[in-house]
Amino acid sequence: AQSVTQLGSHVSVSEGALVLLRCNYSSSVPPYLFWYVQYPNQGLQLLLKYTSAATLVKGINGFEAEFKKSETSFHLTKPSAHMSDAAEYFCAVKGGGATNKLIFGTGTLLAVQP
Amino acid sequence: KAGVTQTPRYLIKTRGQQVTLSCSPISGHRSVSWYQQTPGQGLQFLFEYFSETQRNKGNFPGRFSGRQFSNSRSEMNVSTLELGDSALYLCASRGALSYNEQFFGPGTRLTVL
Repeated sequence: AQSVTQLGSHVSVSEGALVLLRCNYSSSVPPYLFWYVQYPNQGLQLLLKYTSAATLVKGINGFEAEFKKSETSFHLTKPSAHMSDAAEYFCAVKGGGATNKLIFGTGTLLAVQP
Repeated sequence: KAGVTQTPRYLIKTRGQQVTLSCSPISGHRSVSWYQQTPGQGLQFLFEYFSETQRNKGNFPGRFSGRQFSNSRSEMNVSTLELGDSALYLCASRGALSYNEQFFGPGTRLTVL
């Protein structure tokens, strides 16, 4: 069965510092992996997706993630945090088989300190 | 292109009542999925519809149901509301060529008193 684990429910960084949000996956088949961001009182916005085309995936707002099969990881990074990056971030994996359902991690709340 | 729209945005109900939430997908998208988001359980899959057919259902009681119309708009219904049904209900639509990328609406915040 597919699953994702996000390490760290809260991460705090200083403005301009590196952002690293961790996600490990478990999948019986080559996974489709996603990172979504949620701002307060809003829905989810897709940051980036991994669909096996390239292991380093670039997304919106300067975020990127690297798929590492040997480590079953798909960590999200951004070189320099901005105040506007403060939000909750969710890692997700597509369910197996014919379903298109997404299985989400528990989320990481990112705080950016001035 | 307009995004996914959900109505109403906020809803307050009392225990025992029923509620219907609506979702209009992005034009041309035929797949609609629903998710429940709560602080305790996180984001959980409710159901998925494609061309008016339910393709998959999550682990929720029968009080939760849904349907999809010929124009791809979808509704979900919760009967006999319980306090634990208070949540943000998110709808997502997917196009045919989007590599499983799902586009989410802003959600409906349901409060059960």
